[in-house]
Amino acid sequence: DTGVSQNPRHKITKRGQNVTFRCDPISEHNRLYWYRQTLGQGPEFLTYFQNEAQLEKSRLLSDRFSAERPKGSFSTLEIQRTEQGDSAMYLCASSWTGGRSTEAFFGQGTRLTVV
Amino acid sequence: DAKTTQPPSMDCAEGRAANLPCNHSTISGNEYVYWYRQIHSQGPQYIIHGLKNNETNEMASLIITEDRKSSTLILPHATLRDTAVYYCIVRVPMDSSYKLIFGSGTRLLVRP
Repeated sequence: DTGVSQNPRHKITKRGQNVTFRCDPISEHNRLYWYRQTLGQGPEFLTYFQNEAQLEKSRLLSDRFSAERPKGSFSTLEIQRTEQGDSAMYLCASSWTGGRSTEAFFGQGTRLTVV
Repeated sequence: DAKTTQPPSMDCAEGRAANLPCNHSTISGNEYVYWYRQIHSQGPQYIIHGLKNNETNEMASLIITEDRKSSTLILPHATLRDTAVYYCIVRVPMDSSYKLIFGSGTRLLVRP
């Protein structure tokens, strides 16, 4: 087990293009979270899945953003018609409901640059 | 909206204790205090968490005041590899889980 994996690590795109990021959580973790981090700020919560169900979405998640976790394993985050303000680090985290350890483990993130 | 305030930067000498303060005066009774750190270009790394009692693990100690309005993270013997941004976080319950509300963090520099 290598922890939470995110791909790609870096993405540069032109304004108006669509992008998709992938997150592979730790294998036994049933909870998956997406956060966004802009330069010099702490991460901000975007959305949360328990298994395949998306149970919470932040108001930061505009209509151009969509996240899926189709089989309760990996997740994708798509941004349509990207804007320069979407430039940020997108972080995925996972956790498990059972056991003593409930902390969220983060991946290394996908850094998006919109030019 | 952030529920914690931290000094933007601190430094300490290698081998000495690093004491990182955090204010969370609006914390609710069922909200935990978490600490994560982030080394440049990596994802946040869990350090420790607590609700009311002081906590200790192999990485650090967490001291929470009795009124729960503030806490201090203690790295007992800081090393150069502890240079990072340290986030004091309030864990807020939501539908069947929780979300982490990060502040702006404290940039800790450990000097040789």
